[in-house]
Amino acid sequence: AQTVTQSQPEMSVQEAETVTLSCTYDTSESNYYLFWYKQPPSRQMILVIRQEAYKQQNATENRFSVNFQKAAKSFSLKISDSQLGDTAMYFCAFPRGGSEKLVFGKGTKLTVNP
Amino acid sequence: DGGITQSPKYLFRKEGQNVTLSCEQNLNHDAMYWYRQDPGQGLRLIYYSQIVNDFQKGDIAEGYSVSREKKESFPLTVTSAQKNPTAFYLCASSMGFEGYTFGSGTRLTVV
Repeated sequence: AQTVTQSQPEMSVQEAETVTLSCTYDTSESNYYLFWYKQPPSRQMILVIRQEAYKQQNATENRFSVNFQKAAKSFSLKISDSQLGDTAMYFCAFPRGGSEKLVFGKGTKLTVNP
Repeated sequence: DGGITQSPKYLFRKEGQNVTLSCEQNLNHDAMYWYRQDPGQGLRLIYYSQIVNDFQKGDIAEGYSVSREKKESFPLTVTSAQKNPTAFYLCASSMGFEGYTFGSGTRLTVV
């Protein structure tokens, strides 16, 4: 079974600091995509970043970057210069069975403190 | 602007009643999905559809039904057979492996 594990239910960080959210997954596929989604208090799900497994270069979107370790099946999200607006639930997601259907982790609740 | 519209934002269901949640997209996406979100559970797949007039059960389909008569629309009916329907419901669509676009969700409460 393909699973996604987020081992940190809650985290907090001070404004302007850096925080890393962990995600591990299990798959037998060789080519796939990985995603991080953000769900702020409004509950609107927003795509933060996407990584293609066949690319060795880690994806970056402004202050958000990933550390993708394919052999270790690890896909962590680093948020630099944390802002109050980064306070949200963060979900790691992964397509199951080579299809477009995503399986989600249980999420990490991130609080950015002033 | 293209996007996904879910309605209503809040919905209240009485015991034994069927209710229907609406999901409409104008992104020309082929695939559409319904997820249920409970505290501490992440998102769980209820149903999905990859083309018009075809849909498949997800992980927690019992007590739910869907239809896909138009590419733009994928309504979800929560039937009386669903014994614990109180949750936040999210609709999404996708095209290829670019990731999902989500609607703003419907909060369903049993009264």
